[in-house]
Amino acid sequence: QVHLVESGGGLVRPGGSLRLSCAASGFTFSDYYMSWIRQAPGKGLEWVSYISDGGTAEYYADSVKGRFTISRDNAKNSLYLQVNSLRAEDTAVYYCARGGGNAAANDYWGQGTLLTVSS
Amino acid sequence: SYELTQPLSVSVALGQTARITCGGNNIGGKSVHWYQQKPGQAPVLVIYRDNNRPSGIPERFSGFKSGNTATLTISRAQAGDESDYYCQVWDSSTVVFGGGTKLTVL
Repeated sequence: QVHLVESGGGLVRPGGSLRLSCAASGFTFSDYYMSWIRQAPGKGLEWVSYISDGGTAEYYADSVKGRFTISRDNAKNSLYLQVNSLRAEDTAVYYCARGGGNAAANDYWGQGTLLTVSS
Repeated sequence: SYELTQPLSVSVALGQTARITCGGNNIGGKSVHWYQQKPGQAPVLVIYRDNNRPSGIPERFSGFKSGNTATLTISRAQAGDESDYYCQVWDSSTVVFGGGTKLTVL
């Protein structure tokens, strides 16, 4: 069955950087767009970014554009999110989810990894 | 930027029908997806492309669109349906979520 496992979260100081990872299994990873979606504590869902199946197209929310970079390694069935110039408002659980491009739904989600930005 | 509007909360009596709305300009021209999220858990897709249920989602869950509003309907509400619900659309190569609705089953 489809399985998505995020890792890489933690406590980072404002202005710092981190790389989040998502390991995928149970499906042909290279056939699907993939997304990152976050949720600040006690708040709603916020779309962050998605990447095309081949990795040639990337889209970002305005709130992270220029600071975050999505990437994927289809040979390793892995999705990544490089987060730079972190701010307190980036504190959230970051979810990896299958789908998101071409108006498709996110049909499978990981359990999320918590990123806390604080001094 | 595109916005989706959901009520903060909806209440429903056990066994009755709950309706959660999602408003947006010209939402009739977009595919709407709905997610259920229970406390401490990842969201689960319950309706995709307006009115389609993924496998494993009960028939009690259905979706509908009319004018500038999409609606998630939960028939014969159960205690286990108490959750946050989010609508989602794709607009100009970006993804938009509604603010979420907390469903309380009384």
